[in-house]
Amino acid sequence: GENVEQHPSTLSVQEGDSAVIKCTYSDSASNYFPWYKQELGKRPQLIIDIRSNVGEKKDQRIAVTLNKTAKHFSLHITETQPEDSAVYFCAASRRDPYDKVIFGPGTSLSVIP
Amino acid sequence: DVKVTQSSRYLVKRTGEKVFLECVQDMDHENMFWYRQDPGLGLRLIYFSYDVKMKEKGDIPEGYSVSREKKERFSLILESASTNQTSMYLCASSFQGKANEKLFFGSGTQLSVL
Repeated sequence: GENVEQHPSTLSVQEGDSAVIKCTYSDSASNYFPWYKQELGKRPQLIIDIRSNVGEKKDQRIAVTLNKTAKHFSLHITETQPEDSAVYFCAASRRDPYDKVIFGPGTSLSVIP
Repeated sequence: DVKVTQSSRYLVKRTGEKVFLECVQDMDHENMFWYRQDPGLGLRLIYFSYDVKMKEKGDIPEGYSVSREKKERFSLILESASTNQTSMYLCASSFQGKANEKLFFGSGTQLSVL
């Protein structure tokens, strides 16, 4: 089955700096890679996703890149703000209607004002 | 807005008790999921269901069962609760179509087994 690894497990950055979180996956059939953000005490929410026919996707200050050959994908947050502090989870799935979404272990990001 | 509601925010149970965690969604989603969240381990899939009365094992189904008698409701059952099942349990739902993979999560149930 699919296995998703995520690094680093914790990350502290100064406000205004960039943050990068990296994930790897094992199942070459996976073709959908979402990122979820979970603020303290709240439920995870989708912030961005990428499909395997795309190498990069941006949404304002966040971007995701995908390298299917290496089975790597990364989340980039630029100009970090205190409200970016949260746990971020990457995930992978086959986008089969009956398939499961497998999450990485999460990265706790702290943005220091 | 999609609403995924979990019946309890906090639960305290005794070892050996039968525990029911309920989840209801109001957006006619076909897929429903149960995850448990533990520090450093992320979200681990226990069971999921893609249709009424259908269920599939996730990565950690041992000690759990599920029930989906109606499309909007997905129940997680701990037949005989154990202390290692102390955790945060998250329910999620999604549409089944290939363009609609977004998971909508409930607010979670923090279960403590004493």
